[in-house]
Order: sequence, then structure tokens, then C-alpha cells
Amino acid sequence: SQQGEEDPQALSIQEGENATMNCSYKTSINNLQWYRQNSGRGLVHLILIRSNEREKHSGRLRVTLDTSKKSSSLLITASRAADTASYFCALGYSSASKIIFGSGTRLSIRP
Amino acid sequence: DSGVTQTPKHLITATGQRVTLRCSPRSGDLSVYWYQQSLDQGLQFLIQYYNGEERAKGNILERFSAQQFPDLHSELNLSSLELGDSALYFCASSTGHTGELFFGEGSRLTVL
Repeated sequence: SQQGEEDPQALSIQEGENATMNCSYKTSINNLQWYRQNSGRGLVHLILIRSNEREKHSGRLRVTLDTSKKSSSLLITASRAADTASYFCALGYSSASKIIFGSGTRLSIRP
Repeated sequence: DSGVTQTPKHLITATGQRVTLRCSPRSGDLSVYWYQQSLDQGLQFLIQYYNGEERAKGNILERFSAQQFPDLHSELNLSSLELGDSALYFCASSTGHTGELFFGEGSRLTVL
């Protein structure tokens, strides 16, 4: 299957804590992206990491990619209530080609 | 605002009917993707177009078809609708080079 598997399916943490979600996949990829979706809304791109990169940062986000283990993780530091959303990894198999989304992690931030 | 426009936002129709969903990509984006998201599920990739040509196909049913026009807008046609086709249908666009997708707000289809 070309779809990513995300873990955990749901995560509830206290505001201020860090949140980590993982994405595993089975076939080689060109890049991996992370998106956020607020309930019923369109997805918003967070970060893209290419297959030859190991780590990327954007604000409070840190993404790692381990191509040998075929896995990626998204870390959100110092979580806020506004981070409550579903997070999806998306696998890119070549430029200008299909992008396959994982099943998502539902993140809830408790005040 | 992503710059991607989808119409209609909501659509209620009956089984057996046919609907057309429309997507206008961001200015300058050549690539359009269609995804289906059923309630609380992930996104299922349906089809991708690049500059008017079909580039990749996913789990798109034979009852569904799509096209991208010369002005780069795209339409997704859903026919012989079934209850299970009720879902959010998202369109996304990209330049085709970076891989980053810009999503519209979706068209929510309810089949009764």
C-alpha cells in the first residue's frame, strides 16, 4: 500500500506540553509532507521534507525523516489550544504526481 | 485563504442522480488534485491533472470522472450516486514542482 500509517490515531495532552505523532510507510518516497485540518475545513500545509533530508524545523514544528526505517515524526513543542486539529502525513512519490495521505492523528489540547 | 475555490460548498441530492463539483486552482498553479474524505476518515486520492492532462489516478470509481480545462479549472463529475458517496470532496492545487498542496474548503455532498 502507498498510504502512510499514522500513530497514534488520537492524542490528548495538556496545553504547554509537546505533541509527537508518527507516520510510517512501505514504499520509497520522493518527499513527505505534514498537513493540519481543523474540523471539516480544508487542509493546510505545514512542512515538507525531502527524502535526502533528515530533519526540518518551522517555528514550533520539528519534522524528522528516517528513510531506512520508512518513518517520519512531527513534533509540536509548547502546544496551544489552537493546535487542536487533525494532522496528516502525505507521501509524495515523484514531482508533479500523486500525493497519498495517511489516516491522520486527532490532536486535542486540554487547557 | 488558500486561493483555491470550490463550488458548491454544500450539495444535497438523491440516489441515482449526477452532480458536478467545480474547482478553480490558485493563479499560476498547473496541477489539480481531487480527494474524497468520508466522515472522520483520511483523504482518499481520486485523480490528478497537470496542465490539462491526467497525470495520476487513485481509487476513483468508474461512476466518477474528471477533467481539467484550458483555463486550468477542473470539474469532478459524480454519477449514479449512492448513499456511500456522501463525503467531503476536496480539490487542491500546486505548481507541480514543489509538491506543496493548497486546498480548497471542500464541497460537502450529501446523498439521500
